[in-house]
Amino acid sequence: GAVVSQHPSRVICKSGTSVKIECRSLDFQATTMFWYRQFPKQSLMLMATSNEGSKATYEQGVEKDKFLINHASLTLSTLTVTSAHPEDSSFYICSARNPKGTSEKLFFGSGTQLSVL
Amino acid sequence: LAKTTQPISMDSYEGQEVNITCSHNNIATNDYITWYQQFPSQGPRFIIQGYKTKVTNEVASLFIPADRKSSTLSLPRVSLSDTAVYYCLVGDPPEYGNKLVFGAGTILRVKS
Repeated sequence: GAVVSQHPSRVICKSGTSVKIECRSLDFQATTMFWYRQFPKQSLMLMATSNEGSKATYEQGVEKDKFLINHASLTLSTLTVTSAHPEDSSFYICSARNPKGTSEKLFFGSGTQLSVL
Repeated sequence: LAKTTQPISMDSYEGQEVNITCSHNNIATNDYITWYQQFPSQGPRFIIQGYKTKVTNEVASLFIPADRKSSTLSLPRVSLSDTAVYYCLVGDPPEYGNKLVFGAGTILRVKS
């Protein structure tokens, strides 16, 4: 199946710094990517939908200025957590849509564990 | 988006068949049903997708009754490595670039 690469897999940062997470579709072009966050023992929560070349669409309650999303190419979307604080510590997961896939259209990255000290 | 309801957790033993049922009473005509598996600290992995009746692939079967208000994921002969969280999702057809909203999922624990 198609591969979505997410980096870094784990990051530890100090409070107040910004962290960038990359999501790449390695063998297909993804016009649409999605960003999720997941707290321990909870389900995935959709944060935003990222469309190549346009502004991201954020879900209700997600701060646009806090979580900057850039989808500058058909194979790369980035999520920047700005001025991170301990409450931003979470597992962040991206997914990318492969329009040419068969029954499986959406592929997920392996996730990024963010820990803010 | 249709709301889904699954059991919070299930226990099974190695070699048994496991059936996880998901209720989706408000499923729309165009909605597909998709199941994902997630291991700790990993992204979800696609298991199977269907629209009606029965779908089978190399890892699972998906049974969907005629009214489509529920679906059952069947895992044949589970092993310890099948211990994971299983999510049932209902949404737009795949070609629409569906926005998937995850419910609570079912924690499956396989014991030896």
